[in-house]
Amino acid sequence: AQKVTQAQTEISVVEKEDVTLDCVYETRDTTYYLFWYKQPPSGELVFLIRRNSFDEQNEISGRYSWNFQKSTSSFNFTITASQVVDSAVYFCALSEPRSGANSKLTFGKGITLSVRP
Amino acid sequence: AAGVIQSPRHLIKEKRETATLKCYPIPRHDTVYWYQQGPGQDPQFLISFYEKMQSDKGSIPDRFSAQQFSDYHSELNMSSLELGDSALYFCASSLEEATYEQYFGPGTRLTVT
Repeated sequence: AQKVTQAQTEISVVEKEDVTLDCVYETRDTTYYLFWYKQPPSGELVFLIRRNSFDEQNEISGRYSWNFQKSTSSFNFTITASQVVDSAVYFCALSEPRSGANSKLTFGKGITLSVRP
Repeated sequence: AAGVIQSPRHLIKEKRETATLKCYPIPRHDTVYWYQQGPGQDPQFLISFYEKMQSDKGSIPDRFSAQQFSDYHSELNMSSLELGDSALYFCASSLEEATYEQYFGPGTRLTVT
C-alpha cells in the first residue's frame, strides 16, 4: 500500500530564512509519481511540482527547489528566502498510475508553514 | 485555459438533509476523482470514474453515491448528512492515459449544522 509521511506538522520561520519541508514515501511499485501541493488559507490546492520515479534530477523553480532521492524514498522541498506569502499548508502526495485504476493521490498529513515578517 | 469547475462553492445543510455536489471536468478529460478534506486533515480519496464507469473506490460512506454522466460531468450525492460530513470536497479530472496529471477544482465547502 502506498503511504506518504510528512513528519513535520508545523514550521515557523522569519522572512528571508530558508526552510526545507520533508517528505518520505512508501510504495511497492516501480512506476510512481510524487507531487507537492500548496494550500493557502483560501483553501484551493495549488499544484507545485510532479516528479516521476525514473527522473531523479533535482529541480529548481525560482525560490523553490526539490530533492528527490530514491535511495531514501524522500522528496524534500526547499523554499529559499521565504516570504510571508509562502505561509500555507504544504502537502506531499503519491500516485501509482496503472491503467486508470489505483491512480488516486495519497496525501501526507501536510505541513503548516508560517512565515513571520 | 479552462479549469475544473465545481458547484456550488459553498453549501450549508442541516443534519439528515441531502446534498448534491457537481463537478465539470476540463474539456476532453474522461476521468474524474472526488476527494474529501476534513478540517485540519489531508484530502482523502473517495471515488473515481472513467468513461462513466466507477474505476476506483476509497473510503466513501454508503450514504454517499456518485456518478459520471455522458457529458463527463460528475455528481456526488450525499444523504442523511452528519456533522462529520462538514468538509471541503475536491473534484479532479484527468485523461485516462495520463492519470498522473490530475487537475483540481477549487472545491466545495460543505457545512452541516
